[in-house]
Amino acid sequence: EAGVAQSPRYKIIEKRQSVAFWCNPISGHATLYWYQQILGQGPKLLIQFQNNGVVDDSQLPKDRFSAERLKGVDSTLKIQPAKLEDSAVYLCASSLVQNSPLHFGNGTRLTVT
Amino acid sequence: GQQLNQSPQSMFIQEGEDVSMNCTSSSIFNTWLWYKQDPGEGPVLLIALYKAGELTSNGRLTAQFGITRKDSFLNISASIPSDVGIYFCAGQNAFYNFNKFYFGSGTKLNVKP
Repeated sequence: EAGVAQSPRYKIIEKRQSVAFWCNPISGHATLYWYQQILGQGPKLLIQFQNNGVVDDSQLPKDRFSAERLKGVDSTLKIQPAKLEDSAVYLCASSLVQNSPLHFGNGTRLTVT
Repeated sequence: GQQLNQSPQSMFIQEGEDVSMNCTSSSIFNTWLWYKQDPGEGPVLLIALYKAGELTSNGRLTAQFGITRKDSFLNISASIPSDVGIYFCAGQNAFYNFNKFYFGSGTKLNVKP
């Protein structure tokens, strides 16, 4: 079984620029999550999708972050404009159903200078 | 959001020693997950627990779901160098946000050969 795929692995941008991350979940997994992991901390949920609908985006800074999962499969997370404090690893995870264990991709490490 | 406290924050042990770490929550959870994260990679699921008092093993790893439902424990027996990494607990609360997993801040394990 192929795991969760994410790209790019690394991205360096200047503040105020925009950036997008892509995620392809495990085949058949209905639930998709985007987490932000700041160095030295645990993952923090940004947004959760069930198929192509948003279940929880209460922690997503909506003035600059957006995410979509149009066909209920892969997803993109966008930041526009980026701030220095957005430097983090952005992890995508998927699960078979909403309360089953999460399976993570290897993340995108974002550095904002 | 929910607070998950993991302890210890870091450990330095000798190869062959046993390791214990724990995670406590401010409220009741009905699912506990334990993950290991290596540098530059996403967290990998080690053990999932679904029932108070449950004790589950995965090779040299054993995890327990606390009977108060507010804590969980992970033990590693006869540690080896490849056990080095950061261990995260994650919990889900069915009574509040049943579909949301909260993560602890991690226990960093160092093993001296």
